[in-house]
Amino acid sequence: NAGVTQTPKFQVLKTGQSMTLQCAQDMNHNSMYWYRQDPGMGLRLIYYSASEGTTDKGEVPNGYNVSRLNKREFSLRLESAAPSQTSVYFCASRDLQGGGFNQPQHFGDGTRLSIL
Amino acid sequence: RKEVEQDPGPFNVPEGATVAFNCTYSNSASQSFFWYRQDCRKEPKLLMSVYSSGNEDGRFTAQLNRASQYISLLIRDSKLSDSATYLCVVNRLGGSTLGRLYFGRGTQLTVWP
Repeated sequence: NAGVTQTPKFQVLKTGQSMTLQCAQDMNHNSMYWYRQDPGMGLRLIYYSASEGTTDKGEVPNGYNVSRLNKREFSLRLESAAPSQTSVYFCASRDLQGGGFNQPQHFGDGTRLSIL
Repeated sequence: RKEVEQDPGPFNVPEGATVAFNCTYSNSASQSFFWYRQDCRKEPKLLMSVYSSGNEDGRFTAQLNRASQYISLLIRDSKLSDSATYLCVVNRLGGSTLGRLYFGRGTQLTVWP
């Protein structure tokens, strides 16, 4: 019962470094999402993929890129990390195809990222 | 105007108390509604879906008022373990936002002994 798995769980980067956050789900969900959560800001959508082969920008896409590698995997890339990207990042998935809009999102347990 | 607005609290209540949270959403095209719970530094987890007729799950009752674009969550007989942040979540249909959920910033609840 893995659900949504995110790696790594913690990461410290220096300004200007790049890295990719990985997300995989084993629930055969068609839709996947990346959020960031900062104190007092709530969850903010970075990018989402409604289905395999499509990606769309959310509220705060600047500084990020995504790849929907296959149905299971949706990665988030920081090309040149900045201190403002210090945050907790959550990946989520949802079964829109099978279950419709009454289906909730299922979250991974997050990646805590610090940019120095 | 934000898609989903919640009273951030914090709500501090004694064990056994009844507490209610409210949430409003801005877009009448919203189709489905949820309450999530988030513990400190953890991922959000589904607490319950909210149905048009209202629904109950043990000590938790959710209500939806589409005319007023208002959702509520009632917790009866509060337990220490109910201490968390409660997120109101709304799905809006249509166009490029097909299948996207909108999250409120959350209402913080602390239950004390």
